[in-house]
Amino acid sequence: DGGITQSPKYLFRKEGQNVTLSCEQNLNHDAMYWYRQDPGQGLRLIYYSQIVNDFQKGDIAEGYSVSREKKESFPLTVTSAQKNPTAFYLCASTGQVDQPQHFGDGTRLSIL
Amino acid sequence: QQPVQSPQAVILREGEDAVINCSSSKALYSVHWYRQKHGEAPVFLMILLKGGEQKGHEKISASFNEKKQQSSLYLTASQLSYSGTYFCGTERGAQKLVFGQGTRLTINP
Repeated sequence: DGGITQSPKYLFRKEGQNVTLSCEQNLNHDAMYWYRQDPGQGLRLIYYSQIVNDFQKGDIAEGYSVSREKKESFPLTVTSAQKNPTAFYLCASTGQVDQPQHFGDGTRLSIL
Repeated sequence: QQPVQSPQAVILREGEDAVINCSSSKALYSVHWYRQKHGEAPVFLMILLKGGEQKGHEKISASFNEKKQQSSLYLTASQLSYSGTYFCGTERGAQKLVFGQGTRLTINP
């Protein structure tokens, strides 16, 4: 079955530490996205990529970094510069324009 | 600009109807609707691509009024499984969506 796999499901970060969240898709989608969701809030765009080796900042990119070396993979690194990283992180992908976004099951990140 | 959803929360008894609105201060070209259960990924419901378009999915349907820059989601004869938070997302170019703050729907037996 095609889908998006995020790992790990839960992640704990120590102060000053960088952590990387994995996102893999086998839907053959070109576009991929990272969102942050805080309790009781909507989804805010962190980074997005429309094609391999290219990505753009979203609305809240500060303290985060991404790479897109393969079509299937779009990892997100939460750096030590992100002072309030505790949130639910969702990865999504989509195919052609005006198609729905498919979401992974999310990673819940907390500070130790 | 983030679309505004109303109401922010609604509580229903099973079998009752609900309407969730999504309004934007900017022109809308398409509207996506998703439902999210607590702690889970959002699940796609439907996309409306043209002004005036209406779509249905079982007892959930939606309309898109391009002139009013608004979309509405209709839930008819609600079931317990409809509980969750509903989000609208509006297209803002480059296949990006901006999501509303969500409407929490609670269905009681």
